[in-house]
Amino acid sequence: AQSVSQHNHHVILSEAASLELGCNYSYGGTVNLFWYVQYPGQHLQLLLKYFSGDPLVKGIKGFEAEFIKSKFSFNLRKPSVQWSDTAEYFCAVNAYSGNTPLVFGKGTRLSVIA
Amino acid sequence: DGGITQSPKYLFRKEGQNVTLSCEQNLNHDAMYWYRQDPGQGLRLIYYSQIVNDFQKGDIAEGYSVSREKKESFPLTVTSAQKNPTAFYLCASSQSNYGYTFGSGTRLTVV
Repeated sequence: AQSVSQHNHHVILSEAASLELGCNYSYGGTVNLFWYVQYPGQHLQLLLKYFSGDPLVKGIKGFEAEFIKSKFSFNLRKPSVQWSDTAEYFCAVNAYSGNTPLVFGKGTRLSVIA
Repeated sequence: DGGITQSPKYLFRKEGQNVTLSCEQNLNHDAMYWYRQDPGQGLRLIYYSQIVNDFQKGDIAEGYSVSREKKESFPLTVTSAQKNPTAFYLCASSQSNYGYTFGSGTRLTVV
């Protein structure tokens, strides 16, 4: 069975600091990888996704993630966070083929302070 | 605008009652999903349906039931057998393997 581990439960950063949120997955086959964000009181939104090709994926709002197959990792990065990035971030994975359900990590809460 | 509508936004349930959460989509997506979100637990899969009149149990299906009689609709019933139903419930849909569209959620509280 697939599983996703997000190592940080709560991260607190000052504005302009760099961000890296860890995500590791467990699955024997080829996967699709996703990062979702949930701003306070809002829907889950897709930040970025990886299916194949260039392992460095760029998403919305200046976020990027790098797929490292040998490490089963898909870490999320942003060079300079803003107060508006305060949210909960979820890493998710599903099998590459077939309309299979996403498996989510437990989430990382990011608090950005001025 | 295409999207997913979940209703109600807030729902209160008495002990021993069954309640039904609505999820409707106008995206023409084949697959629909129900997740439960608890603080610190992420999203856990309750049920999913990849086609009309068919659905599969997820990781935490006990105490829940679903139906998929129409492509647009995937209601979730929280039965009295669910011992800890207080949670935030999210519905999603997808057409392929390329990510989901989520609804705005229903917050269920047992009173």
